[in-house]
Amino acid sequence: EVQLVEFGGGLVQPGGSLRLSCAASGFTFSSYGMSWVRQVPGKGLAWVAYISDSASTIYYADSVKGRFTISRDNAKNSLYLQMNSLRAEDTAVYFCARPDCRGAKCYTPEHWGQGTLVTVSS
Amino acid sequence: DIQMTQSPSSLSASVGDTVTITCRASQSINVYLNWFQQKPGEAPKLLMNAASSLRGGVPSRFSGSGSGTDFTLTITSLQSEDFATYYCQQSHDIPLTFGQGTKVEVK
Repeated sequence: EVQLVEFGGGLVQPGGSLRLSCAASGFTFSSYGMSWVRQVPGKGLAWVAYISDSASTIYYADSVKGRFTISRDNAKNSLYLQMNSLRAEDTAVYFCARPDCRGAKCYTPEHWGQGTLVTVSS
Repeated sequence: DIQMTQSPSSLSASVGDTVTITCRASQSINVYLNWFQQKPGEAPKLLMNAASSLRGGVPSRFSGSGSGTDFTLTITSLQSEDFATYYCQQSHDIPLTFGQGTKVEVK
């Protein structure tokens, strides 16, 4: 069974940093690209970033480009999101997600973690 | 970026009703259109990809259609467990973009 567990969320001041982690199990992690998707409480879904299986391809939403860094450690079956220069508008539940297929241009998030809440506030 | 517009933003329905949600893309996305269901406090669940391909375990009362820019999600004989928020999402281009959601509520 595919399992994704996010952790690392919490309260951080504007301008601060936070690192989210996502522990994957139940599948060959190194064979799949992965994404982060966020959701402001009570609002819609917004894709944040994508990293390919080998980390050779990385994409970001414009809203986080230059501030967030997605990375992975295939030996540890883990996905990360380093968030710097955080703003109030980054407050959201952050989900890690695995796509429905392997290989290039497989982006559709099929398996999701339960999410971790990041609150940016003074 | 490809903009995804859903309508309506909310609707009220009763068990047994047929419900239709539409999603329009700002440019052609072929059939790179996915539908998600989300219940409060839960992660989204992928119902359908490629516009009309039902994922495993999803009841056959859910169906999808469309290509290019216009898509629909239809739920026939609505069940109590179907009251939720539904999102469309395009996977044609990066950045991946979602519709704003359609909340299906109890009438």
